[in-house]
Amino acid sequence: AQTVTQSQPEMSVQEAETVTLSCTYDTSESDYYLFWYKQPPSRQMILVIRQEAYKQQNATENRFSVNFQKAAKSFSLKISDSQLGDAAMYFCAYPAPLETSGSRLTFGEGTQLTVNP
Amino acid sequence: DSGVTQTPKHLITATGQRVTLRCSPRSGDLSVYWYQQSLDQGLQFLIHYYNGEERAKGNILERFSAQQFPDLHSELNLSSLELGDSALYFCASSVGRTSKDTQYFGPGTRLTVL
Repeated sequence: AQTVTQSQPEMSVQEAETVTLSCTYDTSESDYYLFWYKQPPSRQMILVIRQEAYKQQNATENRFSVNFQKAAKSFSLKISDSQLGDAAMYFCAYPAPLETSGSRLTFGEGTQLTVNP
Repeated sequence: DSGVTQTPKHLITATGQRVTLRCSPRSGDLSVYWYQQSLDQGLQFLIHYYNGEERAKGNILERFSAQQFPDLHSELNLSSLELGDSALYFCASSVGRTSKDTQYFGPGTRLTVL
């Protein structure tokens, strides 16, 4: 069974500093995608970044980047130059392919990020 | 704004009642997914529809049902409501039906069962 684990329930960072959120996952698939979503106090689920397992290069979206280690099944999110608006719950997610030709996202437990001014 | 719309935003009802949550996917998206987010269970997958057909089912209770209509909007029906059904219900949509299709989430419907 596919599982996603986020071992840091809470993290904090000073404004303008860099923080890394950890995620590990388990899958027997060789080609897959991984996602980070953020959920601010509004509770909206917002896509932050996605990574394709076959791509060697780590994905980057402005101040957000990932450190993808396929062999270790690790997918961490780095936030550079942290801003107050980055404060949110961050979820790592793995989309499991299903035999029924459907799909489902399996989420980690989430990491609550606090940004201190 | 993801382009996925959900109505209503908030719903307060009593135990034993039935409610319907509605979702309109992004323009061009054929897949609709439903997820439940409760305090003690985290984010749980409920069901996936693609172009009107059910494609995958999670741990969805028998009291819950869903469908996707020809115009691709979807409805999630919750009946015989219990206190434990209080949660945030998300709809997400994607272009295709595979695990490589990015899912975009709506704002959610907050259901409170009293």
